[in-house]
Amino acid sequence: DTGVSQDPRHKITKRGQNVTFRCDPISEHNRLYWYRQTLGQGPEFLTYFQNEAQLEKSRLLSDRFSAERPKGSFSTLEIQRTEQGDSAMYLCASSLGLAGVLGDTQYFGPGTRLTVL
Amino acid sequence: AQTVTQSQPEMSVQEAETVTLSCTYDTSESDYYLFWYKQPPSRQMILVIRQEAYKQQNATENRFSVNFQKAAKSFSLKISDSQLGDAAMYFCAYTPKAAGNKLTFGGGTRVLVKP
Repeated sequence: DTGVSQDPRHKITKRGQNVTFRCDPISEHNRLYWYRQTLGQGPEFLTYFQNEAQLEKSRLLSDRFSAERPKGSFSTLEIQRTEQGDSAMYLCASSLGLAGVLGDTQYFGPGTRLTVL
Repeated sequence: AQTVTQSQPEMSVQEAETVTLSCTYDTSESDYYLFWYKQPPSRQMILVIRQEAYKQQNATENRFSVNFQKAAKSFSLKISDSQLGDAAMYFCAYTPKAAGNKLTFGGGTRVLVKP
């Protein structure tokens, strides 16, 4: 069990550029979640997948954001035409997706810190 | 909408002493889970402890224990015998069982441990 991994760990980009982040969940975890965390705040839910199906998207996820999990394994989060307000830590988490608190516990990756200049 | 409130932005504790972090939440659900996560500086979020709402017994994990008061919608975390490695941001989180388990987090409490 290697834990949830995210790549890159840090990304600096200029306003208007597109960026893509990758998340590799714990193997055999069916659910994958994306959260955004701004400095000094708790994480906020963005979207989640059950296997390859994207089941819910937050209102925070504007049209410039898109997430995929094509084969039910890793996931990508793309932000198009980045804005300074997109600067944040993007966290990925995964869970087994089974009934019960053990199956529903989410384990987090180290995050990707995005800075938009 | 569910909300989670952590009213203490920062708490300081002497090494080996005990500190209690408060968390309250607002929900109309009857069945849900509550979690405490720890986020050390520049490091990833780690699960500390979890509680199922229908269980009366308070969860414990080594030096960490909770006081779960369902009627008051309160879920405090007690850290006993505090160690320098306990210094971190602590987040309380809530999820109803029926919502795909997306977590709603509080704003966090920073714990400082004095040697």
